[in-house]
Amino acid sequence: DIVLTQSPVLAVSLGQRATISCRASQSVSISSINLMHWYQQKPGQQPKLLIYRASNLASGIPARFSGSGSGTDFTLTIDPVQADDIAAYYCQQSRESPNTFGAGTKLELK
Amino acid sequence: EVQLVESGGGLVQPGRSLKLSCAASGFTFSNYYMAWVRQAPKKGLEWVATISTSGSRTYYPDSVKGRFTISRDNAKSSLYLQMNSLKSEDTATYYCARHSTGMDYVMDAWGQGASVTVSS
Repeated sequence: DIVLTQSPVLAVSLGQRATISCRASQSVSISSINLMHWYQQKPGQQPKLLIYRASNLASGIPARFSGSGSGTDFTLTIDPVQADDIAAYYCQQSRESPNTFGAGTKLELK
Repeated sequence: EVQLVESGGGLVQPGRSLKLSCAASGFTFSNYYMAWVRQAPKKGLEWVATISTSGSRTYYPDSVKGRFTISRDNAKSSLYLQMNSLKSEDTATYYCARHSTGMDYVMDAWGQGASVTVSS
C-alpha cells in the first residue's frame, strides 16, 4: 500500500501563510496526472474536498487554497489563513488500490 | 443540492452483522461510482469500499474484504454497506461518498456519517 506521511500539527497565525505537506512512499503520478487530493475536516463534520489532482480547486472553494506537487511530494497552501480554516487536512492518493489517506494535519492557531 | 444521508448505525456485538444505508439526492445517482469511508474515533480516514455505476464491479481493501459488501439500488438512489463478522476495530463513523466523474476516484461529496460501535 502507498503510505502518505503528514506532519500531525501546524501552528499558524491568522493572516499568515500555511503550508501543509504530504509525502508518498512511491509516486502517485501517471504521466502528467497527479492523483493526489486534499480534504478539509472541521470537528464534528464530514470531510470536504478542497483540491483534486494536486492543483485543481474544487467547486466553491476559496482561492486562498492552492495545491502543488508531483511524484511523491505535495503541498496544500492556505494564504492568508482565516479563522474558519482551523481544521484537519487530509491528503489522499488514488494512484493505486487501496486508495489511502494521510493521517491528517491539524491546523492550529499560534 | 447534492445530499447524502446515512442511516442504520448503532451498537452491535462482536461477530454480529449490521447494514448501513445511504440515501442520495440532488444528482443522477446512477451516473456515479460511490464509496464508503470510515473514521475510527480520533483517527484518520480509511477507504472501505467502492462500487461502479451499475453495481457490477466492487472494490475493497484487505481489512474488510470477505466481511463487508457494498451494493446499490439505482431505482431508489440508495447505497448500502452490509457488514458481517464485525470486530471491535470496525468501530467508526462510516461516511457515504460520491466519486467524481473523472474516474480518478476523488470523493467530491460526503454524507454526515453514521456511527457504528462494536462492543459486547
